[in-house]
Amino acid sequence: EAQVTQNPRYLITVTGKKLTVTCSQNMNHEYMSWYRQDPGLGLRQIYYSMNVEVTDKGDVPEGYKVSRKEKRNFPLILESPSPNQTSLYFCASSLNSGTTYEQYFGPGTRLTVT
Amino acid sequence: TQLLEQSPQFLSIQEGENLTVYCNSSSVFSSLQWYRQEPGEGPVLLVTVVTGGEVKKLKRLTFQFGDARKDSSLHITAAQPGDTGLYLCAGARGGTYKYIFGTGTRLKVLA
Repeated sequence: EAQVTQNPRYLITVTGKKLTVTCSQNMNHEYMSWYRQDPGLGLRQIYYSMNVEVTDKGDVPEGYKVSRKEKRNFPLILESPSPNQTSLYFCASSLNSGTTYEQYFGPGTRLTVT
Repeated sequence: TQLLEQSPQFLSIQEGENLTVYCNSSSVFSSLQWYRQEPGEGPVLLVTVVTGGEVKKLKRLTFQFGDARKDSSLHITAAQPGDTGLYLCAGARGGTYKYIFGTGTRLKVLA
Protein backbone atom coordinates (compact mmCIF):
# COMPACT_ATOMS: atom_id res chain seq x y z
CA GLU A 1 0.00 0.00 0.00
CA ALA A 2 1.32 3.42 -1.01
CA GLN A 3 1.74 5.49 2.11
CA VAL A 4 3.65 7.99 4.20
CA THR A 5 4.40 6.80 7.72
CA GLN A 6 5.43 8.87 10.71
CA ASN A 7 6.74 7.79 14.09
CA PRO A 8 5.94 8.32 16.81
CA ARG A 9 2.29 9.31 16.49
CA TYR A 10 2.25 10.88 19.94
CA LEU A 11 5.14 12.23 21.98
CA ILE A 12 5.34 14.10 25.27
CA THR A 13 8.76 15.40 26.14
CA VAL A 14 10.51 18.03 28.24
CA THR A 15 12.20 21.24 27.23
CA GLY A 16 15.70 20.74 25.87
CA LYS A 17 15.58 16.97 25.30
CA LYS A 18 16.57 16.27 21.70
CA LEU A 19 14.08 14.29 19.66
CA THR A 20 13.60 12.97 16.14
CA VAL A 21 10.36 12.36 14.32
CA THR A 22 10.79 9.91 11.48
CA CYS A 23 9.04 10.04 8.12
CA SER A 24 9.17 7.39 5.44
CA GLN A 25 7.44 7.01 2.07
CA ASN A 26 7.25 3.99 -0.21
CA MET A 27 6.17 5.78 -3.39
CA ASN A 28 9.64 6.68 -4.68
CA HIS A 29 8.77 10.38 -4.50
CA GLU A 30 11.56 12.89 -4.92
CA TYR A 31 9.91 15.67 -2.95
CA MET A 32 9.21 15.60 0.78
CA SER A 33 8.12 18.24 3.25
CA TRP A 34 7.41 18.88 6.92
CA TYR A 35 4.53 20.99 8.19
CA ARG A 36 3.20 21.99 11.56
CA GLN A 37 -0.48 22.62 12.18
CA ASP A 38 -1.64 24.98 14.90
CA PRO A 39 -5.16 26.23 15.70
CA GLY A 40 -5.92 29.46 13.89
CA LEU A 41 -2.65 29.33 11.93
CA GLY A 42 -3.27 26.41 9.62
CA LEU A 43 -0.48 24.33 8.13
CA ARG A 44 2.91 26.00 7.89
CA GLN A 45 5.83 24.55 5.99
CA ILE A 46 8.94 23.95 8.09
CA TYR A 47 11.42 22.42 5.63
CA TYR A 48 11.24 20.67 2.31
CA SER A 49 13.49 18.50 0.21
CA MET A 50 13.63 18.22 -3.55
CA ASN A 51 15.92 15.20 -3.62
CA VAL A 52 18.55 13.33 -1.65
CA GLU A 53 20.92 15.80 0.03
CA VAL A 54 18.84 18.78 -1.21
CA THR A 55 16.83 20.61 1.44
CA ASP A 56 15.53 24.14 1.88
CA LYS A 57 13.75 26.22 4.48
CA GLY A 58 10.02 26.72 4.50
CA ASP A 59 8.24 29.48 6.39
CA VAL A 60 9.01 28.42 9.98
CA PRO A 61 12.38 26.60 10.08
CA GLU A 62 13.70 28.04 13.36
CA GLY A 63 14.41 25.36 15.95
CA TYR A 64 14.24 22.47 13.47
CA LYS A 65 16.70 20.48 11.42
CA VAL A 66 16.18 17.95 8.65
CA SER A 67 18.28 15.57 6.64
CA ARG A 68 17.69 13.60 3.47
CA LYS A 69 20.28 10.88 3.17
CA GLU A 70 17.95 8.41 1.48
CA LYS A 71 15.10 9.05 -0.93
CA ARG A 72 12.49 7.34 1.24
CA ASN A 73 13.30 8.98 4.60
CA PHE A 74 13.07 12.58 5.79
CA PRO A 75 13.47 12.86 9.57
CA LEU A 76 12.64 16.03 11.51
CA ILE A 77 15.04 16.83 14.33
CA LEU A 78 14.38 19.11 17.27
CA GLU A 79 17.77 19.67 18.90
CA SER A 80 16.42 21.54 21.93
CA PRO A 81 12.62 21.48 21.96
CA SER A 82 10.73 24.32 23.56
CA PRO A 83 7.06 24.62 24.58
CA ASN A 84 6.28 26.77 21.52
CA GLN A 85 7.07 23.74 19.38
CA THR A 86 4.09 21.91 20.85
CA SER A 87 2.06 21.19 17.73
CA LEU A 88 0.71 18.64 15.29
CA TYR A 89 3.34 17.75 12.72
CA PHE A 90 2.75 16.32 9.26
CA CYS A 91 5.18 14.88 6.77
CA ALA A 92 4.25 14.87 3.10
CA SER A 93 5.77 13.40 -0.01
CA SER A 94 5.05 14.57 -3.50
CA LEU A 95 4.92 13.46 -7.06
CA ASN A 96 5.99 16.16 -9.49
CA SER A 97 3.30 16.28 -12.17
CA GLY A 98 5.15 18.77 -14.34
CA THR A 99 3.96 22.08 -12.99
CA THR A 100 2.36 20.90 -9.78
CA TYR A 101 3.08 18.63 -6.85
CA GLU A 102 0.51 16.13 -5.63
CA GLN A 103 1.13 15.96 -1.91
CA TYR A 104 0.45 12.83 0.12
CA PHE A 105 0.39 13.39 3.86
CA GLY A 106 1.27 11.11 6.72
CA PRO A 107 -1.08 10.59 9.68
CA GLY A 108 0.57 13.21 11.87
CA THR A 109 2.63 13.34 15.06
CA ARG A 110 1.22 15.16 18.03
CA LEU A 111 4.10 16.62 20.03
CA THR A 112 3.79 18.16 23.48
CA VAL A 113 6.81 19.90 25.01
CA THR A 114 6.50 20.69 28.73
CA THR B 1 4.27 37.55 4.01
CA GLN B 2 1.85 35.89 1.65
CA LEU B 3 -1.48 34.97 3.13
CA LEU B 4 -4.31 32.76 2.01
CA GLU B 5 -7.54 33.71 3.70
CA GLN B 6 -10.41 31.25 3.76
CA SER B 7 -14.01 32.07 4.45
CA PRO B 8 -16.09 31.17 6.20
CA GLN B 9 -14.07 29.69 9.04
CA PHE B 10 -16.97 27.57 10.23
CA LEU B 11 -20.06 26.38 8.44
CA SER B 12 -22.89 24.22 9.75
CA ILE B 13 -25.60 23.30 7.29
CA GLN B 14 -28.37 20.79 6.75
CA GLU B 15 -28.02 17.83 4.43
CA GLY B 16 -29.06 18.76 0.90
CA GLU B 17 -28.03 22.41 1.08
CA ASN B 18 -25.47 24.00 -1.23
CA LEU B 19 -22.42 25.89 0.00
CA THR B 20 -19.39 27.78 -1.26
CA VAL B 21 -16.01 28.16 0.43
CA TYR B 22 -13.64 30.92 -0.64
CA CYS B 23 -9.87 31.14 -0.68
CA ASN B 24 -8.40 34.60 -1.32
CA SER B 25 -4.97 36.15 -1.55
CA SER B 26 -3.31 39.29 -2.84
CA SER B 27 -0.55 37.12 -4.32
CA VAL B 28 -0.46 35.15 -7.53
CA PHE B 29 0.02 31.40 -7.29
CA SER B 30 1.30 29.05 -9.96
CA SER B 31 -1.24 26.46 -8.85
CA LEU B 32 -3.76 25.99 -6.10
CA GLN B 33 -4.88 22.85 -4.36
CA TRP B 34 -7.83 21.89 -2.18
CA TYR B 35 -7.57 19.30 0.57
CA ARG B 36 -9.98 17.73 3.02
CA GLN B 37 -8.81 16.71 6.47
CA GLU B 38 -10.64 14.38 8.84
CA PRO B 39 -9.95 14.41 12.60
CA GLY B 40 -6.80 12.49 13.49
CA GLU B 41 -5.65 12.21 9.89
CA GLY B 42 -3.50 14.08 7.42
CA PRO B 43 -4.99 16.22 4.64
CA VAL B 44 -6.08 14.40 1.49
CA LEU B 45 -5.72 16.10 -1.88
CA LEU B 46 -9.01 16.73 -3.69
CA VAL B 47 -7.94 18.74 -6.72
CA THR B 48 -5.21 20.89 -8.26
CA VAL B 49 -6.05 23.87 -10.48
CA VAL B 50 -3.36 25.48 -12.58
CA THR B 51 -4.82 27.77 -15.23
CA GLY B 52 -6.57 31.06 -14.47
CA GLY B 53 -10.33 30.60 -14.86
CA GLU B 54 -10.03 26.82 -14.69
CA VAL B 55 -13.05 24.90 -13.39
CA LYS B 56 -12.84 21.29 -12.22
CA LYS B 57 -15.62 19.05 -11.02
CA LEU B 58 -15.36 16.12 -8.67
CA LYS B 59 -18.83 14.59 -8.32
CA ARG B 60 -20.79 17.17 -6.29
CA LEU B 61 -17.74 19.41 -5.74
CA THR B 62 -16.86 22.20 -8.16
CA PHE B 63 -13.54 24.01 -7.92
CA GLN B 64 -12.68 27.26 -9.66
CA PHE B 65 -9.39 29.12 -9.95
CA GLY B 66 -9.71 32.88 -10.35
CA ASP B 67 -8.74 34.48 -13.63
CA ALA B 68 -5.81 36.27 -11.99
CA ARG B 69 -4.76 33.10 -10.10
CA LYS B 70 -5.12 34.89 -6.75
CA ASP B 71 -8.28 33.24 -5.51
CA SER B 72 -10.29 30.05 -5.67
CA SER B 73 -13.64 28.70 -4.63
CA LEU B 74 -15.07 25.33 -3.72
CA HIS B 75 -18.79 24.77 -4.26
CA ILE B 76 -20.57 21.74 -2.88
CA THR B 77 -23.99 20.83 -4.24
CA ALA B 78 -26.48 18.93 -2.10
CA ALA B 79 -24.10 18.48 0.83
CA GLN B 80 -24.08 15.16 2.65
CA PRO B 81 -22.91 14.23 6.18
CA GLY B 82 -19.90 12.51 4.57
CA ASP B 83 -18.71 15.93 3.37
CA THR B 84 -18.07 16.95 6.98
CA GLY B 85 -14.44 17.89 7.56
CA LEU B 86 -11.82 20.61 7.43
CA TYR B 87 -11.29 22.02 3.94
CA LEU B 88 -7.92 23.58 3.21
CA CYS B 89 -6.66 25.49 0.21
CA ALA B 90 -2.95 25.63 -0.56
CA GLY B 91 -1.08 27.79 -3.04
CA ALA B 92 2.23 26.98 -4.67
CA ARG B 93 4.62 29.84 -5.13
CA GLY B 94 6.35 30.29 -8.47
CA GLY B 95 6.22 26.64 -9.45
CA THR B 96 8.35 25.73 -6.47
CA TYR B 97 7.66 23.18 -3.80
CA LYS B 98 6.98 25.99 -1.32
CA TYR B 99 3.37 25.86 -0.27
CA ILE B 100 1.26 28.21 1.76
CA PHE B 101 -1.95 26.90 3.29
CA GLY B 102 -5.12 28.70 4.20
CA THR B 103 -6.40 28.51 7.77
CA GLY B 104 -9.22 26.21 6.75
CA THR B 105 -13.00 26.00 6.70
CA ARG B 106 -14.55 23.58 9.13
CA LEU B 107 -17.73 22.18 7.59
CA LYS B 108 -20.39 20.22 9.43
CA VAL B 109 -23.28 18.74 7.51
CA LEU B 110 -26.20 17.69 9.68
CA ALA B 111 -28.39 14.75 8.71
